[in-house]
Amino acid sequence: AQSVTQPDIHITVSEGASLELRCNYSYGATPYLFWYVQSPGQGLQLLLKYFSGDTLVQGIKGFEAEFKRSQSSFNLRKPSVHWSDAAEYFCAVAARGNAGNMLTFGGGTRLMVKP
Amino acid sequence: KAGVTQTPRYLIKTRGQQVTLSCSPISGHRSVSWYQQTPGQGLQFLFEYFSETQRNKGNFPGRFSGRQFSNSRSEMNVSTLELGDSALYLCASSPTGTSGGAGELFFGEGSRLTVL
Repeated sequence: AQSVTQPDIHITVSEGASLELRCNYSYGATPYLFWYVQSPGQGLQLLLKYFSGDTLVQGIKGFEAEFKRSQSSFNLRKPSVHWSDAAEYFCAVAARGNAGNMLTFGGGTRLMVKP
Repeated sequence: KAGVTQTPRYLIKTRGQQVTLSCSPISGHRSVSWYQQTPGQGLQFLFEYFSETQRNKGNFPGRFSGRQFSNSRSEMNVSTLELGDSALYLCASSPTGTSGGAGELFFGEGSRLTVL
């Protein structure tokens, strides 16, 4: 069965500092990969996705993620964090060939931003 | 374009009761998925409907069921509620149901169910 691990439950960074959120997955083949963000009291919003091709993908709000097949990782990065980035971030995978939208989510990383 | 709308936003039930949650997807979206979010188990997939057919189902007991109507609106039902069913239930719609668009979900704000 596929699984997603986000090793960091909480991360605190200073505003303006760089950010990297880790994500590792376990799956027999390369799945589709996603990062979603959830602000308090809100649903989830898609930040970016990786299907194929360039392993560095750009997303909304200045986020990017790099797919590393050898490490089964899909880490999310942002060069300079803003206070409004404080939220919970979820990495997710979906099986290729699955003709649907069944995602497996990681446990999430809660980001706090210090002024 | 209006987003995904879920009703009700909050509800309180007692054990043994049943509950029905509603989801209106973004106009034109034919796929609707449901997820359960709890502090202990995180986000877990319940089921997905596409063109009124259940296409995928997660590992939940038969007390959890759903359906989709011809206008793509969806409902999910939980019968014989248990304390552990307390959760945020999230609905998500997608413009496509094919692998190429897989995972590009647009989520509603959720229905928060409390079971006493």
